Amino acid sequence: QSALTQPASVSGSPGQSITISCTGTGSDVGSYNLVSWYQQHPGKVPKLMIYDVTKRPSGVSDRFSGSKSGNTASLTISGLQAEDEADYYCCSYVSDSTYVFGTGTKVTVL
Amino acid sequence: EVQLVESGGGLVQPGGSLRLSCAASGFTLSSYWMHWVRQVPGKGLMWVSRLNDDGTSTTYADSVKGRFTISRDNAKNTLYLQMNSLRAEDTAVYYCARGTAAASLDCWGQGTLLTVSS
Repeated sequence: QSALTQPASVSGSPGQSITISCTGTGSDVGSYNLVSWYQQHPGKVPKLMIYDVTKRPSGVSDRFSGSKSGNTASLTISGLQAEDEADYYCCSYVSDSTYVFGTGTKVTVL
Repeated sequence: EVQLVESGGGLVQPGGSLRLSCAASGFTLSSYWMHWVRQVPGKGLMWVSRLNDDGTSTTYADSVKGRFTISRDNAKNTLYLQMNSLRAEDTAVYYCARGTAAASLDCWGQGTLLTVSS
């Protein structure tokens, strides 16, 4: 159950787009369209931003979008805003009915 | 309003035991898969355990298998995590979270801090 691999940090200027990658294996990301993404502001509880690779829960801005290719899932934030500065985690269902989170990515808005 | 409230965290000596609780309101626990996730302060999230909706199936992360047990009390609408043989590396904030059919976690509690130290 090794953590999915994410870049430690990603930064962008307001209005720009950034993409966070999440690399797993054929036993998790590569086998299931069950990847979700969570946003966590400092001292706050994680918030679901994307599920089923591409779907957004009600209330989440359409600036957030997800995709997947092979063993790598991605989260794209378009029109970056100051409020998007937070930690982001991917999570995947795994073949043995367990789950694995990514290592986390700190997004900085310059 | 859907809400999860954890309790039971605290300071425990290595080798000790503790039970965390997660009281649910606004929905019925037995209709959902439920999870425990932990986070060492300043570090990343780690999935710990899940219980399916009918209570017949549980799974655990390898690092806690055999030491932790997830369960629930339907009458109290409360989820539990019994933790035995605690180690220093179990020190973390423990969150309970509601699972969806899409294998995502759509509602999280505020977390409870467990510190394992002598």
